[in-house]
Amino acid sequence: RKEVEQDPGPFNVPEGATVAFNCTYSNSASQSFFWYRQDCRKEPKLLMSVYSSGNEDGRFTAQLNRASQYISLLIRDSKLSDSATYLCVVTAARDFNKFYFGSGTKLNVKP
Amino acid sequence: DTGVSQNPRHKITKRGQNVTFRCDPISEHNRLYWYRQTLGQGPEFLTYFQNEAQLEKSRLLSDRFSAERPKGSFSTLEIQRTEQGDSAMYLCASSLPGTGYSPLHFGNGTRLTVT
Repeated sequence: RKEVEQDPGPFNVPEGATVAFNCTYSNSASQSFFWYRQDCRKEPKLLMSVYSSGNEDGRFTAQLNRASQYISLLIRDSKLSDSATYLCVVTAARDFNKFYFGSGTKLNVKP
Repeated sequence: DTGVSQNPRHKITKRGQNVTFRCDPISEHNRLYWYRQTLGQGPEFLTYFQNEAQLEKSRLLSDRFSAERPKGSFSTLEIQRTEQGDSAMYLCASSLPGTGYSPLHFGNGTRLTVT
């Protein structure tokens, strides 16, 4: 079983829409959680860390549900520039210096 | 720009040749990671260093792969006797030491094509 699983999409949404992605992780003792954004043929870039209480950064909201072992990313008022692949990242249970990546969810925002 | 730097950006090599990639992490980051990414997949962990010590190697890293970080600063990843299956993006990342919530910062990657 993979440590981190994501729906590959693509999610095709119009500009201005609200879209949400979920990501599930297999080890209940995982410690740290992140969302990264990756543009085509570029390196992943940190979008936001995910805290236990949930956190928001502008149009982006991240939530952690430890009971169900998933994290979510909500994007409000989608922009064309939000089109990218969104990678879910979880650290290992016993070694939070070891990061596991999901395969990514592709988002296409259309005019 | 004081981000993570990787060289070369692209490498095309013939099967059987050896290749070496270099990564210069962010200067105050003592942890350095190598990942490999193929099309449609997320980055796969290869190995990581804390200072000059290589703390873990993935089972993905066959005997043909070796990584070093001799002085705890830059790192090199060497692939010997390359195979077509080695074609991928090789990503280097660094992070601060910490007890959690210290994210990875990636370089631009080295795209390897083995012909």
